[in-house]
Amino acid sequence: GAVVSQHPSRVICKSGTSVKIECRSLDFQATTMFWYRQFPKKSLMLMATSNEGSKATYEQGVEKDKFLINHASLTLSTLTVTSAHPEDSSFYICSASHRDRSSYEQYFGPGTRLTVT
Amino acid sequence: QKEVEQDPGPLSVPEGAIVSLNCTYSNSAFQYFMWYRQYSRKGPELLMYTYSSGNKEDGRFTAQVDKSSKYISLFIRDSQPSDSATYLCAMSGGYGNNRLAFGKGNQVVVIP
Repeated sequence: GAVVSQHPSRVICKSGTSVKIECRSLDFQATTMFWYRQFPKKSLMLMATSNEGSKATYEQGVEKDKFLINHASLTLSTLTVTSAHPEDSSFYICSASHRDRSSYEQYFGPGTRLTVT
Repeated sequence: QKEVEQDPGPLSVPEGAIVSLNCTYSNSAFQYFMWYRQYSRKGPELLMYTYSSGNKEDGRFTAQVDKSSKYISLFIRDSQPSDSATYLCAMSGGYGNNRLAFGKGNQVVVIP
């Protein structure tokens, strides 16, 4: 299998607070983890790519100081939305590349729905 | 021109029909082609993965890649209501860090 979990599945927070989302590969070691956000009826927008032990590579237009990514181990990556605002409300999804499979296969987590009030 | 084009639909078919989905792309460097299924409020699930041109079959699903036309397809035979979901095509190989380029997704509804 190639199971990826995310926690929490949904979170509601007040404007100005920070929220941490965890992404874990449960039954495999992930060489690379990716963070996406998805708006209703829209496709996935890649935010950043991270390799274990390295700094994340952010896509153009994504604020690295606002969306902090930590990839502490081969099975865990975290995304922290700092000083969240209502416009940060979205569906955040992580994915992971399996170390023993093609690096182009990505396995996705179930997503985290963030609502900022 | 967007890198990956996918008609968002929605596409409604009766149960048992064949569902035909497709994407076109512009980057000739793409070598890896994927189809993901996404149920509402869930993360995408990898359905099919194909390298370069050719066909791949897995149960009721068939993926086709025609690199000369920059066109990929997914066929679902004997469609079931449980196949109702959004199907996203994705491709890669044109980047150095395994980034995927996604289509917008095509919503499919299979009517019992």
